[in-house]
Order: sequence, then C-alpha cells, then structure tokens
Amino acid sequence: SAVISQKPSRDICQRGTSLTIQCQVDSQVTMMFWYRQQPGQSLTLIATANQGSEATYESGFVIDKFPISRPNLTFSTLTVSNMSPEDSSIYLCSVSLSGGRGNSPLHFGNGTRLTVT
Amino acid sequence: GEDVEQSLFLSVREGDSSVINCTYTDSSSTYLYWYKQEPGAGLQLLTYIFSNMDMKQDQRLTVLLNKKDKHLSLRIADTQTGDSAIYFCAVGGTGRRALTFGSGTRLQVQP
Repeated sequence: SAVISQKPSRDICQRGTSLTIQCQVDSQVTMMFWYRQQPGQSLTLIATANQGSEATYESGFVIDKFPISRPNLTFSTLTVSNMSPEDSSIYLCSVSLSGGRGNSPLHFGNGTRLTVT
Repeated sequence: GEDVEQSLFLSVREGDSSVINCTYTDSSSTYLYWYKQEPGAGLQLLTYIFSNMDMKQDQRLTVLLNKKDKHLSLRIADTQTGDSAIYFCAVGGTGRRALTFGSGTRLQVQP
C-alpha cells in the first residue's frame, strides 16, 4: 500500500475565504482522486486529478469552485474557493496503485476536516 | 449510475458476530470492497472480493457475495469494542473511473 499524507488535518475558516489542501504520496501513482464526505454522509467523488492536464470533474462540481493541481505523480492539491458553511465536510485524497479503474482498491489519506463559519 | 445501499446502524455485544449488509444495482460490478472508518480518520481498506468468488475469509472477517441478488455482506467474528466504526461498502467495475460508496453502516459494540 501507499502512505498518503494530507495537510492540514483540520481547519476552521471564515466564509468567503479559500483553503488549499495538500496530498503527498510516498510513491508514484497513476490515479489520484478527491472525495468529499459531508457530515454523516457517504463519500462523493469530486474529481480525478490528472497529471499534466486539467482535472476531470464529476457532475455538480466545477473547476472554479474546486481547482485542482497535479504537478507530478506524487502530489496534488485541492482548493475549496469562496467557502460557505455548506462546504463544511471532510475532504479525502485517495490513490489507486494500479490501473485506476474499478478493478483496483483505493487507498485514502486521513482527510481534512473543514469547518466554515 | 451505480447505487449502493447499506443499513445505517448495527449494535452488537462484544464477542458476538456482526453482519453488515450491502446491496448494489449494477450487475457489471466486478470488484467489491469493504472499508472501515474510525472517528476522525480516513478510510482503511479491510478486504475485498471479486465477482467470480462467493466467499472470502480473512481472519475474523468473512465476505459473502450473492451475485444473483447483488448482495454483499461482511461478517466480523468475535466482535471487539475496537471494531466500533463506520463500515463502507464500495463497488467498481472494469472501465469505471472510481469506486461508488454506500452510505456506511455505523457499528456499535456494547461491552
């Protein structure tokens, strides 16, 4: 498996501000994903972070709100822009160690717990 | 798209067996996973099963798959208080970009 480090682990932010979450993996991985887990809910895929090209967003998520960077095969960032209380969630970075399709499990970081006041 | 359903809550006594159930809708789902999430933590991959299997056992964990009914279960033998967590079922298929997660089942183990 891979060691996935996310920073910050938690933050409390004021509405209207932005927060950038970092995800660092200890090995090169093909596929990196960002998920959101709203309070008491399951995980919802935000986007796939593509190395060297723009991220692929799921329905309901847009680049202006959640810009993503993937400068290399071990690192990605997710920014939550112009935050509102509805953005309060746990944001999770995940990686696939092989293929990235449904035939390989995802490994997760510990997540970033975001509270927007 | 894929829909994955789980019951929300299960309470058992320490030492009993726990059975967590999951149903899914897409018959092309070929890879099925169980994750555990402890309070304040990310998701830990527990075990998985492929659709060409009916059962997989891994120490205290037993996964059963009924492909005809699209039903997956996770049995935890001799449940301990340290097993208290939320358990997520996740399914994937060849060609799909990422896994689809169920809503999670909160397991509470009473001493």
